[in-house]
Amino acid sequence: RKEVEQDPGPFNVPEGATVAFNCTYSNSASQSFFWYRQDCRKEPKLLMSVYSSGNEDGRFTAQLNRASQYISLLIRDSKLSDSATYLCVVNRPGNTPLVFGKGTRLSVIA
Amino acid sequence: GAGVSQSPSNKVTEKGKDVELRCDPISGHTALYWYRQSLGQGLEFLIYFQGNSAPDKSGLPSDRFSAERTGGSVSTLTIQRTQQEDSAVYLCASSAAGLGYEQYFGPGTRLTVT
Repeated sequence: RKEVEQDPGPFNVPEGATVAFNCTYSNSASQSFFWYRQDCRKEPKLLMSVYSSGNEDGRFTAQLNRASQYISLLIRDSKLSDSATYLCVVNRPGNTPLVFGKGTRLSVIA
Repeated sequence: GAGVSQSPSNKVTEKGKDVELRCDPISGHTALYWYRQSLGQGLEFLIYFQGNSAPDKSGLPSDRFSAERTGGSVSTLTIQRTQQEDSAVYLCASSAAGLGYEQYFGPGTRLTVT
């Protein structure tokens, strides 16, 4: 099983739609979780951290399910500018760097 | 404040030449990472530096790749005898504290080996 797995997509959704992505991780001892956004030919940028209790930032909601070892990202009222690749990021316990998923591509269509 | 900066932004080199890529992390960040991303692919971890500890070089694809970090700040990634398969975007990131903390990326260096 890969350390971090994401559906590569693409998810093609109309403007205004709600879309959700899941990401599974293999190490049950992982403690830190993040969603990053990467626009075409740009660097990844931190979108939000994922907290145990779940957290919301405007139209974006992140959830963590430790029992099933997945995190999710929900985007409400999708905008054209939300079109990007969304990277799921998880830490490995111990003194090691974060593990980046390969990303889920989202296209929001007018 | 200033983010992570990288130079050059683009580099075209001939096969067999050596190249040096530079990364300036966010001031005060103790951890620095190098990644490689080929077109349409995910991030490939190369190497990281954490404070004064020995770097983790486990991701370097061959001994043609090396990196150093001077004075706990600026880092240079060197690729010797470049090959066409080295063509990619090389991304540098830094983080404030431990390795489980969020990373902030520079804009990358796009390397093309002809």
